[in-house]
Amino acid sequence: DTGVSQDPRHKITKRGQNVTFRCDPISEHNRLYWYRQTLGQGPEFLTYFQNEAQLEKSRLLSDRFSAERPKGSFSTLEIQRTEQGDSAMYLCASSPLAGASYNEQFFGPGTRLTVL
Amino acid sequence: DQQVKQNSPSLSVQEGRISILNCDYTNSMFDYFLWYKKYPAEGPTFLISISSIKDKNEDGRFTVFLNKSAKHLSLHIVPSQPGDSAVYFCAASELGGGNKLTFGTGTQLKVEL
Repeated sequence: DTGVSQDPRHKITKRGQNVTFRCDPISEHNRLYWYRQTLGQGPEFLTYFQNEAQLEKSRLLSDRFSAERPKGSFSTLEIQRTEQGDSAMYLCASSPLAGASYNEQFFGPGTRLTVL
Repeated sequence: DQQVKQNSPSLSVQEGRISILNCDYTNSMFDYFLWYKKYPAEGPTFLISISSIKDKNEDGRFTVFLNKSAKHLSLHIVPSQPGDSAVYFCAASELGGGNKLTFGTGTQLKVEL
């Protein structure tokens, strides 16, 4: 299976703890995106990378959130000092820089975070 | 502010009939529009898209229509099948915006036998 993978699929943590999620994009895709989805809403953009460069961050991404893509392949999203409001599905997507699928994003299955 | 709106949270259609899902947007800078389908516990799956230079795009049972003057697009599924039951999201991106997507809130489609 060469789709986007995310790990873990589920994470339960206590308020105040730090959590880290991983995303492995489709191997030839240069762009990688993070979104957050809460109940009853569509996915909301958080940040995106082109290769290893983080090109844009949403105002939703507070200073407790940090994302990296150190070698332009997999990416991590870390949330420090989690709050109950961080409970959501965190989705990763990737897309190529050119070609027929240029405008399409391919999503992973998501990481469901529950903060108690 | 909600730049992409799906005003119908749910839609029920009989198998074999047409399903029409609607989407409105407010941002004039959007130039590419996509529909995604989502099953529970899975990520969204790309369905069909349309560029702002077109007014229709068709792929098998799925057709997307774009009315730029009304800032409105719709997804037609015909004939509808029970396997089409899912949440459908409309999404849009801006030229030069890194292709980040702005999503609507989704419409739950139920296709009944």
